Amino acid sequence: GAVVSQHPSWVICKSGTSVKIECRSLDFQATTMFWYRQFPKQSLMLMATSNEGSKATYEQGVEKDKFLINHASLTLSTLTVTSAHPEDSSFYICSAANAGTSGTSYNEQFFGPGTRLTVL
Amino acid sequence: DQQVKQNSPSLSVQEGRISILNCDYTNSMFDYFLWYKKYPAEGPTFLISISSIKDKNEDGRFTVFLNKSAKHLSLHIVPSQPGDSAVYFCAASRHPGEYISNFGNEKLTFGTGTRLTIIP
Repeated sequence: GAVVSQHPSWVICKSGTSVKIECRSLDFQATTMFWYRQFPKQSLMLMATSNEGSKATYEQGVEKDKFLINHASLTLSTLTVTSAHPEDSSFYICSAANAGTSGTSYNEQFFGPGTRLTVL
Repeated sequence: DQQVKQNSPSLSVQEGRISILNCDYTNSMFDYFLWYKKYPAEGPTFLISISSIKDKNEDGRFTVFLNKSAKHLSLHIVPSQPGDSAVYFCAASRHPGEYISNFGNEKLTFGTGTRLTIIP
């Protein structure tokens, strides 16, 4: 159980276009989803925390108008990179936290397989 | 400001021997720590975790040790197997409280990762 999917797995786009990445929890409900970005040979950097039905909380230095996050349901969160530029090329990973299952592993987030974005 | 650090970017260990991966943190508010394993172009997979009220947690071949006074934790893998070759990230978070209905909602701060190579 606890499978998280991301779509697409990779995308190549032209500079200036917008790209939407979907993150789905397939077999559980996730009140909270997290979006990370990983540059080559670097750590996973948290971009934002997304709570179902409310506005996302962005980390310092992350532009909320550039990285639009929508968490419309307990199983889906989307990240839209608006007006993408080559410096946005990165590996984007989401994670989902199981909603209120008492007794399960504390703080276990389940990660998606990631989306490789290349902006030309 | 890298609050979680893994000072060894890479480590090579002979098959069958013990692998020891180290992690240091600076934020004394962290009280829950996790280790993740990651293959290229995939999301991290949870391995093992430890709460600050413990100094050791063991799960099969994996043992995590926590030294709170030194703000240091380590992951021991014994015996090491070729399939253990991957990048290992430690992560830290804050405990949301003793009684909480939603687990996993605290954000994770990741280290920079250590690439472990097991030599057959």
